[in-house]
Amino acid sequence: KAGVTQTPRYLIKTRGQQVTLSCSPISGHRSVSWYQQTPGQGLQFLFEYFSETQRNKGNFPGRFSGRQFSNSRSEMNVSTLELGDSALYLCASSLGDRGWDEQYFGPGTRLTVT
Amino acid sequence: AQTVTQSQPEMSVQEAETVTLSCTYDTSENNYYLFWYKQPPSRQMILVIRQEAYKQQNATENRFSVNFQKAAKSFSLKISDSQLGDTAMYFCAFTLVNTDKLIFGTGTRLQVFP
Repeated sequence: KAGVTQTPRYLIKTRGQQVTLSCSPISGHRSVSWYQQTPGQGLQFLFEYFSETQRNKGNFPGRFSGRQFSNSRSEMNVSTLELGDSALYLCASSLGDRGWDEQYFGPGTRLTVT
Repeated sequence: AQTVTQSQPEMSVQEAETVTLSCTYDTSENNYYLFWYKQPPSRQMILVIRQEAYKQQNATENRFSVNFQKAAKSFSLKISDSQLGDTAMYFCAFTLVNTDKLIFGTGTRLQVFP
């Protein structure tokens, strides 16, 4: 079974631009969560999508948004990029059933904002 | 709000020895899960072990075991017979029941020396 995949793996953008990151979950997984990892702030939860609906949201500004498609693939978008948005963005997928399911992480997309 | 604290930024251990990583957390909830995740250098984050708060018995997974002290809100990870492949960042994480939102500690960088 293929693991969680994220594209692109590396990205360099200029301040003020926008960016879209993609996450393909493990087949059969309906929940996708996104995390931002930085040296200063560590790992922070961005949002979670389940069956195309945002089920949970972290404390990030509205410049960070996401969506999920009917095949469970998810995208996150960051508009008006700031230097502080430079980070490793991780997505994780799980079955998403109530209770607890193991979350499987992707390799991440490393975003550099210059 | 829930918080997770890892007070050891870096630890080192010799191969075949035992090492314990510390984690404390804060929550007013009674039903939750605790995890230890491993993030090897330039590799994907993987789940090492999990503990349900309602279970008094400490979880074990081969060489990995936890010491869960619910009243003290402490959740330490013991790695026995350390191996070179255990070199990684270790994150303690918390989630409430019925959510995929993981709250992570700042991590402990573990180096295993031959």
